[in-house]
Amino acid sequence: GEQVEQRPPHLSVREGDSAVITCTYTDPNSYYFFWYKQEPGASLQLLMKVFSSTEINEGQGFTVLLNKKDKRLSLNLTAAHPGDSAAYFCAVISNNAGAKLTFGGGTRLTVRP
Amino acid sequence: EAAVTQSPRNKVAVTGGKVTLSCNQTNNHNNMYWYRQDTGHGLRLIHYSYGAGSTEKGDIPDGYKASRPSQENFSLILELATPSQTSVYFCASGDSYEQYFGPGTRLTVL
Repeated sequence: GEQVEQRPPHLSVREGDSAVITCTYTDPNSYYFFWYKQEPGASLQLLMKVFSSTEINEGQGFTVLLNKKDKRLSLNLTAAHPGDSAAYFCAVISNNAGAKLTFGGGTRLTVRP
Repeated sequence: EAAVTQSPRNKVAVTGGKVTLSCNQTNNHNNMYWYRQDTGHGLRLIHYSYGAGSTEKGDIPDGYKASRPSQENFSLILELATPSQTSVYFCASGDSYEQYFGPGTRLTVL
């Protein structure tokens, strides 16, 4: 079935720097992609959803890139601030997984003032 | 607004005991899901349901049962709890592709 590898598991950056988190997936039939943010002790909050037909998506303070050829999904926080400190998870839906979400292992991001 | 609630929020159980985790959603979503979250593993799917009366095995169903008595409620049952089931459990509801997550239940099995 689908496997999703997320890197790095831990990331520490200074305020104002960029932070990049990357996921690679195995199923070429994957077609719907998600980024979730989880603050300590809290539930998962949807940051962005991406269809396979769209390669670049921009949100507030971040950009999501999808490279279907390399089966790679990335989240780029362009100018991180302390409020971005959290765990981030990618998730993928593929036909071979019966339209269920397969999650990456997560990245714990710390933004230092 | 979409709402998924879970109870209890924290639970301490003894090995061999029975544990029931409850989830309620007011979204009128057909699909509901149970995940566990462990460090380094993200969320892993235990059981899910397409509607009242249906339950399906997810990726890690061993040691767990599920029950969907109504559109709103989905329970996760540990008949004989083991320390390896110590984890944080999340319920979610959804239609199409988006899923909305509950606040989580922290379960400790001693």
